[in-house]
Amino acid sequence: SQTIHQWPATLVQPVGSPLSLECTVEGTSNPNLYWYRQAAGRGLQLLFYSVGIGQISSEVPQNLSASRPQDRQFILSSKKLLLSDSGFYLCAWSFSGGYTEAFFGQGTRLTVV
Amino acid sequence: KQEVTQIPAALSVPEGENLVLNCSFTDSAIYNLQWFRQDPGKGLTSLLLIQSSQREQTSGRLNASLDKSSGRSTLYIAASQPGDSATYLCAVSDSSYKLIFGSGTRLLVRP
Repeated sequence: SQTIHQWPATLVQPVGSPLSLECTVEGTSNPNLYWYRQAAGRGLQLLFYSVGIGQISSEVPQNLSASRPQDRQFILSSKKLLLSDSGFYLCAWSFSGGYTEAFFGQGTRLTVV
Repeated sequence: KQEVTQIPAALSVPEGENLVLNCSFTDSAIYNLQWFRQDPGKGLTSLLLIQSSQREQTSGRLNASLDKSSGRSTLYIAASQPGDSATYLCAVSDSSYKLIFGSGTRLLVRP
């Protein structure tokens, strides 16, 4: 069976510090991978998605970037965090080929202070 | 641009009641629709996936329907229980593999 791991679960970072959130998927190959952000009391905003190694699509211009160095690894990064980067970050995957069920990690609560 | 709306935003019902959550989308050219459950501070748990060619899916006390032409889906929960209390999110996918989410319905089932 497939599993998704996302860490850390919580993170408090000062403004201007770098960020690295990691997500890995086990039990499948060449998954579609996604990063979402959920602001308090609001819906999920798609940040990045990837259909293969090195293929990253960005949905909104922002202070964040994503990379996919390995088939089942998806990393969300920032060089300098802003207060507005605070939120709940969720990684998700679906089978390649699209249009299939999406599965989510447990999320990372990021607070920028 | 696809937009997904969920009504109501919040719902409080007594235990045992049957209830319906609504989801609407503006562009009917979807590939599938998925319902999720989110507990406070947690990730999303997939409940039901309806392909665009399907009309409904059932899992236990949950039944989801899809009317693609009118841009609507409903999630029916039978005999609600306090453990059903959570936020319910619907999302549609298009040809670009992306999931577009509604803002959710926050459900409270009172004992």
